[in-house]
Amino acid sequence: TQLLEQSPQFLSIQEGENLTVYCNSSSVFSSLQWYRQEPGEGPVLLVTVVTGGEVKKLKRLTFQFGDARKDSSLHITAAQPGDTGLYLCAGDDAGNMLTFGGGTRLMVKP
Amino acid sequence: NAGVTQTPKFRVLKTGQSMTLLCAQDMNHEYMYWYRQDPGMGLRLIHYSVGEGTTAKGEVPDGYNVSRLKKQNFLLGLESAAPSQTSVYFCASSYQLAAYNEQFFGPGTRLTVL
Repeated sequence: TQLLEQSPQFLSIQEGENLTVYCNSSSVFSSLQWYRQEPGEGPVLLVTVVTGGEVKKLKRLTFQFGDARKDSSLHITAAQPGDTGLYLCAGDDAGNMLTFGGGTRLMVKP
Repeated sequence: NAGVTQTPKFRVLKTGQSMTLLCAQDMNHEYMYWYRQDPGMGLRLIHYSVGEGTTAKGEVPDGYNVSRLKKQNFLLGLESAAPSQTSVYFCASSYQLAAYNEQFFGPGTRLTVL
């Protein structure tokens, strides 16, 4: 069974601060996805990273895939209250299933 | 397009009761999934389907059954509910020819078993 560990589990910061969320595994994935989930809703895909070392930017969010395709990070610059939510990483082993991490719950206070 | 819809949104059951959760998608996706979400444990796959008439077990299939009689619908059944099945259940779908199995999720069903 492939495992994805996310850290930290919880993060509470002030508006304007920067933060990084980590997603680590001992397994290699063909791609890795990041989702954001708001209370009472299902996860929504933010980005997919595919190539080792790849960096993708989505406005103030920067996603990086590790060189060995075993880990990933999400960096948010100048966090805003609208960034509040549960961030989930999910690894794809090129099969039919995704393996999800436990999630990082982010709260950004005004 | 409604995307992925789930019914009901909330349900309370007594131990031993049965129920069926319905998932419907209007995106013509071949793949459909049922997950449960518990605090600190992310999403765990219960069962999935790669096409009409096919189903397969995921990570935590015990106590659940599924059926995919129509391409757009995926049903999750609990034959004899247990308190350990108290959770939030999410359905998802994805396009078979998508490059990276990117999944679209429904809004969830919150189930409490007393």
